[in-house]
Amino acid sequence: NAGVTQTPKFQVLKTGQSMTLQCAQDMNHEYMSWYRQDPGMGLRLIHYSVGAGITDQGEVPNGYNVSRSTTEDFPLRLLSAAPSQTSVYFCASSSRPVGVGELFFGEGSRLTVL
Amino acid sequence: RKEVEQDPGPFNVPEGATVAFNCTYSNSASQSFFWYRQDCRKEPKLLMSVYSSGNEDGRFTAQLNRASQYISLLIRDSKLSDSATYLCAVNNRVSSGSARQLTFGSGTQLTVLP
Repeated sequence: NAGVTQTPKFQVLKTGQSMTLQCAQDMNHEYMSWYRQDPGMGLRLIHYSVGAGITDQGEVPNGYNVSRSTTEDFPLRLLSAAPSQTSVYFCASSSRPVGVGELFFGEGSRLTVL
Repeated sequence: RKEVEQDPGPFNVPEGATVAFNCTYSNSASQSFFWYRQDCRKEPKLLMSVYSSGNEDGRFTAQLNRASQYISLLIRDSKLSDSATYLCAVNNRVSSGSARQLTFGSGTQLTVLP
């Protein structure tokens, strides 16, 4: 009963490094999204996907790329990490269009960029 | 002005108290409203949806006021286990023509004291 699984849970990067945050869900959900959470800012949408092969930008997409080659996986790539990307990242999925159905979140990935 | 704003908090209340949170939203076209609960260093989880007629789930009551563009959450007979951050969420379009997504408030922290 895994739900939404994110890896890694913790990561420290140096400025300029790239990395991929992995997200996988086993609930056959069509809708997946990535949020970042910063103190006092709430959850902000980075990118989202409404199905395999379809992605779109959210509120704060700059510096991040996504792809959705399968229904299960939705990786988030940081192209050239910056200290401003220090944050907690949450992947979420839903069986229904967002805003209609419940969002199920992964446990989060805590990223520090030095 | 932020799209979704919440009471600043933190709220520190004794066990058994009744506490209410408000959340205002700026987009009158928003269609769906939710309260999520987030425990310290954990992922958000859906607490309840907010319906136009208001809805109740045990000790929790959610209300929607479309005219004044706010939603509220009332917790009666507070328990120690209610200590958490409560996030309101509203569905909006990220941009013209895009799919609707959830915009979250920054959260209100509740601590129930013994």
